Amino acid sequence: QQQVKQSPQSLIVQKGGIPIINCAYENTAFDYFPWYQQFPGKGPALLIAIRPDVSEKKEGRFTISFNKSAKQFSLHIMDSQPGDSATYFCAASKSFNNDMRFGAGTRLTVKP
Amino acid sequence: DAGITQSPRHKVTETGTPVTLRCHQTENHRYMYWYRQDPGHGLRLIHYSYGVKDTDKGEVSDGYSVSRSKTEDFLLTLESATSSQTSVYFCAISDIQGTNEKLFFGSGTQLSVL
Repeated sequence: QQQVKQSPQSLIVQKGGIPIINCAYENTAFDYFPWYQQFPGKGPALLIAIRPDVSEKKEGRFTISFNKSAKQFSLHIMDSQPGDSATYFCAASKSFNNDMRFGAGTRLTVKP
Repeated sequence: DAGITQSPRHKVTETGTPVTLRCHQTENHRYMYWYRQDPGHGLRLIHYSYGVKDTDKGEVSDGYSVSRSKTEDFLLTLESATSSQTSVYFCAISDIQGTNEKLFFGSGTQLSVL
């Protein structure tokens, strides 16, 4: 079964909107939660990551919100741009463990 | 893509034939990984390596084998390809010892098994 559940599958927003992508995990031993961004024909690239000792992390226009008790985390993209159109994957892993589990991905389209 | 080269980029093969995918890195990173990407499943770990000749299984290792005879090369072999192995395969490397944080991915190999 998928240990990290991601929603929605696809998302369309207008330029300047704030898309939100949600993920839920099952394994309470997970302690590292990254988001990867993937453009067509390319491999995923690390966008931002969080550990459960903080509830929020911001890097530029990208913010991760983390709710440890609910076992959920989400990605917010402020002032979204057409160049943000990509597939986004959440993931989770345990430190010093090489098996990172990915969500199914969200295809984001930002319309001009 | 962080000094990672995957070859071939595209391959079409027939059921039952052996297939080998190659990943070459120029970063001298210790950890190397093979993932497959399928719609609805995201990325799933097939095998990984933590050093020359040191490998271990991932979530979906059945039907796959790997080898690493040099730090820079990590090979993925499908001994007898099946249609269920049609997928996009990504190699990744990690620069943090002992973890899979900060994975750097190659550009992928699109494999079609007919």
